[in-house]
Amino acid sequence: AQSVTQLDSHVSVSEGTPVLLRCNYSSSYSPSLFWYVQHPNKGLQLLLKYTSAATLVKGINGFEAEFKKSETSFHLTKPSAHMSDAAEYFCVVTLFGNEKLTFGTGTRLTIIP
Amino acid sequence: EAQVTQNPRYLITVTGKKLTVTCSQNMNHEYMSWYRQDPGLGLRQIYYSMNVEVTDKGDVPEGYKVSRKEKRNFPLILESPSPNQTSLYFCASSTLLNEQFFGPGTRLTVL
Repeated sequence: AQSVTQLDSHVSVSEGTPVLLRCNYSSSYSPSLFWYVQHPNKGLQLLLKYTSAATLVKGINGFEAEFKKSETSFHLTKPSAHMSDAAEYFCVVTLFGNEKLTFGTGTRLTIIP
Repeated sequence: EAQVTQNPRYLITVTGKKLTVTCSQNMNHEYMSWYRQDPGLGLRQIYYSMNVEVTDKGDVPEGYKVSRKEKRNFPLILESPSPNQTSLYFCASSTLLNEQFFGPGTRLTVL
């Protein structure tokens, strides 16, 4: 069984300040983990993925995430927020090689000018 | 351009009137899935298909049907829609071990 918990339903940060979106996962086996972003009225776009290679994963638009097995976490970070980062972010877990994705409930990121 | 397409993008219908939402991908992907997105619940998987003629239930399959007669197409069928199926629906496709590519979504309202 697998599950994912996004610890914050809504995060607000000022433009130019760091972003931290938190995600904890539960998985019986070695998981694959993803972060997807959904801009208003758009589909989902992959930000980054972890598939048992390097634990620090770099994605698009300056985002990165670190896989911490001891803490069962996969938090998403960005050093400096931009207005265009305002969107909903989903943490996703799947078993390696399994196409069944389990989504978190999402974190809405608001950027304050 | 590599993409997943869905039609229609918006649909308003009435309870009990059968409808089909089409999904097509041009990337020769083996895997295709349908999800519904509801506020506060994230995306939940309805059905998925690992290849032609191979489909299986996801987390919320009740009230839905799918078929996979061709590799590129994976239609979602609502035989008798009900208001609790009002939602935003996404189709996705992928190859083995890779991330899923999502379509633009279909917003369905059942009155």
